[in-house]
Amino acid sequence: EVQLVESGGGLVKPGGSLRLSCAASGFTFGSYTMNWVRQAPGKGLEWVSSITSGGGYIYYADSVKGRSTISRDNAKNSLYLQVNSLRAEDTAVYYCARVALIAAAGTVGALDIWGQGTMVTVSS
Amino acid sequence: EIVLTQSPGTLSLSPGERATLSCRASQSVSSGYLAWYQQKPGQAPRLLIYAASNRATGIPDRFSGSGSGTDFTLTISRLEPEDFAVYHCQQYGSSCSFGQGTKLEIK
Repeated sequence: EVQLVESGGGLVKPGGSLRLSCAASGFTFGSYTMNWVRQAPGKGLEWVSSITSGGGYIYYADSVKGRSTISRDNAKNSLYLQVNSLRAEDTAVYYCARVALIAAAGTVGALDIWGQGTMVTVSS
Repeated sequence: EIVLTQSPGTLSLSPGERATLSCRASQSVSSGYLAWYQQKPGQAPRLLIYAASNRATGIPDRFSGSGSGTDFTLTISRLEPEDFAVYHCQQYGSSCSFGQGTKLEIK
């Protein structure tokens, strides 16, 4: 079964850091561009970051640029997102998602497989 | 950044009716790189349509997408009870951005 499972969320104080992980299974992880997308409570979806299959191209949304790092380990079938200097507005469910090969456009594309999400709450 | 505006915010319809959801972009979406997703409470989004009009694997043919440039539409021809959910559009022609969502609720 094709699956993505996120972990690493939790309650963090403002200014703190968090490293999110996403474990992939059931497909050739190293062949796919991967994205992080977040959703604040009761709000719409917000694209956060993307990384190409080999890790050579990386992009960030302006909202997290400069304080986030996306990375991947294809040998471990894993995707990561490190977020520093966390703010209240970073509170959201964070999803990892796979870019569909048939619907890729550079480092982004339509997202055909999503994890169940991991909740990050930034509060004192 | 391309801003996507979805309308209406909430759509109230009955099973069996036709639903028409709109997604308008602040500038032209390159190559029609526009996708639609369905999201139910407590679940991750599910891809319905990619490249404006192509159904994703396993999506029923009552779902159809159309449009180009700045105006895109998702149509559900005959609503089934399981179709009531939130629908998001996404453009991936210039970086990536999502609309704010349309809630489709039972009338």
